[in-house]
Amino acid sequence: DADVTQTPRNRITKTGKRIMLECSQTKGHDRMYWYRQDPGLGLRLIYYSFDVKDINKGEISDGYSVSRQAQAKFSLSLESAIPNQTALYFCATSDFPHGYTFGSGTRLTVV
Amino acid sequence: QKEVEQNSGPLSVPEGAIASLNCTYSDRGSQSFFWYRQYSGKSPELIMSIYSNGDKEDGRFTAQLNKASQYVSLLIRDSQPSDSATYLCAVNEETSGSRLTFGEGTQLTVNP
Repeated sequence: DADVTQTPRNRITKTGKRIMLECSQTKGHDRMYWYRQDPGLGLRLIYYSFDVKDINKGEISDGYSVSRQAQAKFSLSLESAIPNQTALYFCATSDFPHGYTFGSGTRLTVV
Repeated sequence: QKEVEQNSGPLSVPEGAIASLNCTYSDRGSQSFFWYRQYSGKSPELIMSIYSNGDKEDGRFTAQLNKASQYVSLLIRDSQPSDSATYLCAVNEETSGSRLTFGEGTQLTVNP
C-alpha cells in the first residue's frame, strides 16, 4: 500500500457542487499539506496542518476548506466548485526537516 | 521577484551527457533544499536533499548548494531517456516553518 493515499484519483463534477478529496497516510507524520498544481503556475499551497488541532491557510485557501479527522487523515473540500478549480491536487506529509512525501494526486475537472 | 526561481526550460540533452538544472532563492535564512522529479501526470518524487554548503552525490545525481549566492543546482551525469521529466526545486524558507516553496520546474528531455 502507498504511504500517502488520495481518493478519488479522478473526478469530474459540475459547477456549484460540493466535493471532498480525501488523503490518508501511514507514515506517522504529524504535518500534512494540500497543494494544487496548474500548468505554468507550479505547486501552490492551499492548506496545511501540523497536528489535529492546528490548521492553517496557505496562499490560495479561498473557496476551499479542510478537516483533519485524525493524525492520518486530512480532507480537502470545495464547498461550491467552480471551473477555475480544475487542477491536479496533491496531498503531502512531512517529517520536518526532511522533504515531503506526496500522494498520487487527484485530477479534478469542474464543468 | 519569485521566491524560488528555476532556469527556464525546456532543457534538452543527448543521452550520456550531463544535465545541469539551476535554482535561486530569495530567503537568505533558508535551511533545507530539495530536488523533486515529476513525470507527466504523476506526483513529485524526492530525489535529493541538501542542507549545507557544498556538493552531495547520490549515484548519478549531484546536488550543489551555495548559500552565499543563494543558489542550488542539480547535476545528472550520464543522462538517460528515463530521466526525462520535470525537475522541481523546493526550499524551506526560514519564516515558513516546515512548509516548502517550490519553483515552477524545469522540463528535461534526454534524447536517445
